[in-house]
Amino acid sequence: KNEVEQSPQNLTAQEGEFITINCSYSVGISALHWLQQHPGGGIVSLFMLSSGKKKHGRLIATINIQEKHSSLHITASHPRDSAVYICAVRKYGGSQGNLIFGKGTKLSVKP
Amino acid sequence: NAGVMQNPRHLVRRRGQEARLRCSPMKGHSHVYWYRQLPEEGLKFMVYLQKENIIDESGMPKERFSAEFPKEGPSILRIQQVVRGDSAAYFCASSPQRAGGHETQYFGPGTRLLVL
Repeated sequence: KNEVEQSPQNLTAQEGEFITINCSYSVGISALHWLQQHPGGGIVSLFMLSSGKKKHGRLIATINIQEKHSSLHITASHPRDSAVYICAVRKYGGSQGNLIFGKGTKLSVKP
Repeated sequence: NAGVMQNPRHLVRRRGQEARLRCSPMKGHSHVYWYRQLPEEGLKFMVYLQKENIIDESGMPKERFSAEFPKEGPSILRIQQVVRGDSAAYFCASSPQRAGGHETQYFGPGTRLLVL
């Protein structure tokens, strides 16, 4: 079993819909990252969090350390949000670069 | 401020040749990370370097792979005697050095290596 699991694997939404992507992990962590990989392959770091909630524009990331679970929400989704969203964790005691990645959630937003 | 730069963007090698992948971090960043993404698979950590030092190489294959980040110049990921299984996208990321060790990483565009 992977140490980082994401759901769903694939997600299709209509423009304007509220989207939630889930990430569960089975190890103790010191930080969790959400990344976005564009169709062309480029990767952008969206959030890094270790507790609570962060918001940037239409994106919201939450984490529940006790339940070992994080969610990424997209409000008022738009076709340009179509991408693969990747959750990654830094294990407690691990180096800051040693991230364990989920397999990603492929999001397609239709106009 | 230019972002993280990687070159070449695409690299084709025949089995047995050497591949050299370069990464220039963002200005002012002293931490570099290399990750590999095999076809249809997730990203995997390879190595974490600071200037002139390897901090964590626990994700590097034991043979044929090496990495450096010299005092001057880009970080280099070197793959000797490439095999078809090395075909992948190799991403470099960088971050600044700040207290606490929790830093956002900025990713380069990646190098797509194809081994024929």
